[in-house]
Amino acid sequence: EIVLTQSPGTLSLSPGERVTLSCRASQSVSSSYLAWYQQKPGQAPRLLIYGASSRATGIPDRFSGSGSGTDFTLTISRLEPEDFAVYYCQQYSSSPPWTFGQGTKVEIK
Amino acid sequence: EVQLVESGGGLVQPGGSLRLSCAASGFTFSSYSVHWVRQAPGKGLEWVSCISSRGDNKFYADSVKGRFAISRDNAKNSLSLEMNSLRDEDTAVYYCARSGYTNGLPSHFDYWGQGTLVTVSS
Repeated sequence: EIVLTQSPGTLSLSPGERVTLSCRASQSVSSSYLAWYQQKPGQAPRLLIYGASSRATGIPDRFSGSGSGTDFTLTISRLEPEDFAVYYCQQYSSSPPWTFGQGTKVEIK
Repeated sequence: EVQLVESGGGLVQPGGSLRLSCAASGFTFSSYSVHWVRQAPGKGLEWVSCISSRGDNKFYADSVKGRFAISRDNAKNSLSLEMNSLRDEDTAVYYCARSGYTNGLPSHFDYWGQGTLVTVSS
């Protein structure tokens, strides 16, 4: 089973700042089979990125994903007020099981 | 518009049973694998189970294997999760999610329902 470790656990930032979130896998994620999700309080997760770098339908271009192998990154170029949320990475390289990272919370400073 | 609507959650005693349902609309349900994903209060996401588009392949997390059973009715556009021998640690919001595909295999989760809360407590 591939274990995903996200860092940091929490980020305190201001609107307009650039954000970089990290997701590290315990073994190589083949073919960049990695996705990112955003979850706001009381809501279901929303798909942001799949295939490590492809934006899902309707996702603004301030969100971008990169990486390969064991190290992946989600970048938000300029934080908007609606971007304060918890972000999860998920791998589908070695599934089942489909596994998630523990999440990174982006909070308002 | 793709919609997934879960139902069936509630309070159940340890050792009890519960059946969750997910009603799908806005897409050709019979063409997609679907998953159950859960989230314990204040915790992260945990994949629970997956069923293939025709229902002939089923997968389970080790934590629920032998206790939970996933099924689908493509004629009724519905997904179910039968949960038996429930434990305190099964307390969570349960989401159904549609599977995206990569190279013909189930991959990411592109649409999610709003979830249904299952509480296991005496």
